[in-house]
Amino acid sequence: SYVLTQPLSVSVALGQTARITCESNNIGRKNVHWYQQKPGQAPALLIYSDTNRPSGTPERFSGSNSGNTATLTISTAQAGDEADYYCQVWDTSTAFFGGGTKLTVL
Amino acid sequence: QVQLQESGPGLVKPSETLSLTCAVSGYSISSGYYWGWIRQSPGKGLEWIGSIYHSGNTYYNPSLKSRVSISVDTSKEQFSLKVTSVTAADTAVYYCVGLYSGTYCDHWGQGTLVTVSS
Repeated sequence: SYVLTQPLSVSVALGQTARITCESNNIGRKNVHWYQQKPGQAPALLIYSDTNRPSGTPERFSGSNSGNTATLTISTAQAGDEADYYCQVWDTSTAFFGGGTKLTVL
Repeated sequence: QVQLQESGPGLVKPSETLSLTCAVSGYSISSGYYWGWIRQSPGKGLEWIGSIYHSGNTYYNPSLKSRVSISVDTSKEQFSLKVTSVTAADTAVYYCVGLYSGTYCDHWGQGTLVTVSS
């Protein structure tokens, strides 16, 4: 089983930068995908293959991946960014999700 | 625009079989995407159940493999999930998804809550 470790919660002041990490051994060798889930909604793809934004994802969202840590960075955080964020990778034909991080915008 | 819509019973008795169907519209189910199921227990995170290609190739979560089957009906543009011998631990919102090249889920259904209870 491939374990992806995310912080349970991250807080950020309005307009500041938030970083959400996703840690696992040598995760830098894998493609990491990020999803955003707002309350009462289905998750939605936010970042794919480490750094790529689907159409519809604001440029304020960016991703990076190296070594043992993948990072989702949210610049100029807005109240509407409050949500749960999940990382995901594939390993041995199985998809694994991180436990999720709740982002609070103060 | 790809749209996915889950359907099926919202209540299943323990030890019985959970069956859900996902209708695909706006895209041919035979055109290159993988199709899958993900579930989310109340207040918990996401758990991948499995995925299928239109050819019938399937991939299952090893922890669920013995109880899960996913099938595709290209003539009806839909795919289905069956989970046998359900328990309360299978209570969750079940999402059907489209996976680009079998990797990331860029299309999601709205989700359907399935409760396992007598």
